[in-house]
This record gives sequence, structure tokens and C-alpha cells, in this order.
Amino acid sequence: KQEVTQIPAALSVPEGENLVLNCSFTDSAIYNLQWFRQDPGKGLTSLLLIQSSQREQTSGRLNASLDKSSGRSTLYIAASQPGDSATYLCAVYRETSGSRLTFGEGTQLTVNP
Amino acid sequence: KAGVTQTPRYLIKTRGQQVTLSCSPISGHRSVSWYQQTPGQGLQFLFEYFSETQRNKGNFPGRFSGRQFSNSRSEMNVSTLELGDSALYLCASSQSGAIKGDTQYFGPGTRLTVL
Repeated sequence: KQEVTQIPAALSVPEGENLVLNCSFTDSAIYNLQWFRQDPGKGLTSLLLIQSSQREQTSGRLNASLDKSSGRSTLYIAASQPGDSATYLCAVYRETSGSRLTFGEGTQLTVNP
Repeated sequence: KAGVTQTPRYLIKTRGQQVTLSCSPISGHRSVSWYQQTPGQGLQFLFEYFSETQRNKGNFPGRFSGRQFSNSRSEMNVSTLELGDSALYLCASSQSGAIKGDTQYFGPGTRLTVL
């Protein structure tokens, strides 16, 4: 059974700091991995999707990497801003799991002005 | 292009009642998936519909059901509500579904409270 773990559960940093969020998964036979952002009481916003054949994806100040062999992904946020405060979730998809995404519990990020 | 919309945004029901939630996917998307989010269990997959057919189902009791219409809009129904059904219900749409590696686009969710 696929399990996804995100560490840390919560993170508080001063504005301007570069930071890394971690995601690990137990089954390396994934098809892709997706990072989402969720603001309190809201839905999920897709940030980056990495296919299993890729090593990283970049969008603006965000960079996500994927290492299938070790079952890890990282989300790097450069020059953090208070507007980055949210919960960040990673989700993996396996071909044998039909259409379901398996989510981690998320990392709650607070960026202090 | 309009995003995924869900109605209603908030619902309050009592135990034993039933409820229907609606999801309108992004135009052109044929796959709609439903997820339940609770503080204790996180995000859990309910089911996925593609071209009006249920393609995959999660581990939820039969009280949870859904359907998809020819315009790809989807509804989810929960019968005989229990306190534990209180949650944020999210739907996600994509062109062909996660099965094809598509990005999943989520709606704002419906917050269901069961009293």
C-alpha cells in the first residue's frame, strides 16, 4: 500500500528565507507526483506536476525535484513571502491505483513579515 | 477559462438525512474525481467518473454514491448521514484523469457539517 509522508508537519520562517519541503513515498513505482497548495478552508491549487521520467520542474520561485529510486521529492521555495503561507501537499499517482491520488498530510507553512 | 465550481459551498444537515453535492468541471474536461478531507484522515479518494462511467472507487461505504452527466457535470450523494461524514468534499477535474498523468484541478470544496 502506498504511503506518503511529509516532513515537517509545520514550518515557520521569516520573510525572504529559502526553504525546502519534503515528501517521501513508500512505493517507488509511481507514474507522477504533484505538489498542491491549500489555503485555509479552500480547495487545492496545483503548483507543479513531475512525471516519473523527469527529475525536476520549475515555476517561478518554485522548484520541485523527484528521486524515484529513493522515494523522495522536495519542493524548494525561493525568497519566501507572507503570501506563500498555506498548507503544501504532495500527491503521488501509481498506474495500478486507477485514478486515485494518494496524498501526504501536508506541511503547514507560515512566512512571517 | 472558468475553473472547477462546486455547489453549495456550505451545508448543514442532521444525522439520518441525505445530501447531494454538485461539481462542474473545467470546460473540455471529462474526468471528475471526488475526495473527502478531514483533519484526522486527510484527503481520501471517493470515486472517479469518466464519460458518465464510474472508473474507480475508494474504500467508502455504499452510502456514498455519485454520477456524471453527459456534460461532464458530476453529483455526489451521501445517504443516511453520520456525524463522521462532516468534512470538506473536493472535486477535481482533468482532461483524461490521473490515469493519463493529467494535472488535477480542484474546486473550492463543499463544507458539510452533520449535526
